Amino acid sequence: EAGVAQSPRYKIIEKRQSVAFWCNPISGHATLYWYQQILGQGPKLLIQFQNNGVVDDSQLPKDRFSAERLKGVDSTLKIQPAKLEDSAVYLCASSLVGGQGPSGNTIYFGEGSWLTVV
Amino acid sequence: DAKTTQPPSMDCAEGRAANLPCNHSTISGNEYVYWYRQIHSQGPQYIIHGLKNNETNEMASLIITEDRKSSTLILPHATLRDTAVYYCIARGSTLGRLYFGRGTQLTVWP
Repeated sequence: EAGVAQSPRYKIIEKRQSVAFWCNPISGHATLYWYQQILGQGPKLLIQFQNNGVVDDSQLPKDRFSAERLKGVDSTLKIQPAKLEDSAVYLCASSLVGGQGPSGNTIYFGEGSWLTVV
Repeated sequence: DAKTTQPPSMDCAEGRAANLPCNHSTISGNEYVYWYRQIHSQGPQYIIHGLKNNETNEMASLIITEDRKSSTLILPHATLRDTAVYYCIARGSTLGRLYFGRGTQLTVWP
């Protein structure tokens, strides 16, 4: 079974530039998450999608971050304009459905996209 | 979602059992205990989860106390490849998100 695919793997940009990250979840997974992980910290949830709808984006800095999942499959996370503090790993994850059912409904993560803002 | 508390670091000799503790004293009845680990430069990897009963799979065992206020992840025969940050998470049943703390850095030495 193919895992969660993310690209690009690494990106270096100057501050005030824009960047976009792409994620393709595991086939059939309705729920998609974007996390931000700053060096030395645990991942922080930015946004959760259920199919093509946003379930929670309360932690997404909406003045500069945007995310979409137009057809309910792959997703794009954009940062514009980037700041130095946006340097982090951006992790995409997916699960069959939202919530925690008795069967587990495991959340699977991609390898992440490493962003350095200089 | 309940918060969890873990020691920042632990170490273990290769071939020995690694026992990683986690406190979750405010966990509610419908929250599961999940464990993930993150090897450097990779995304978090699911290990195991449980609600009340002890669980075992091919990777690890999870021991949950009867009052559910704490748990222990056991790697029975640690290898160098088990060196990673281990996260203990109390996962709510309704929204099912994972909220990560700083985890425990486990170092397995030869």
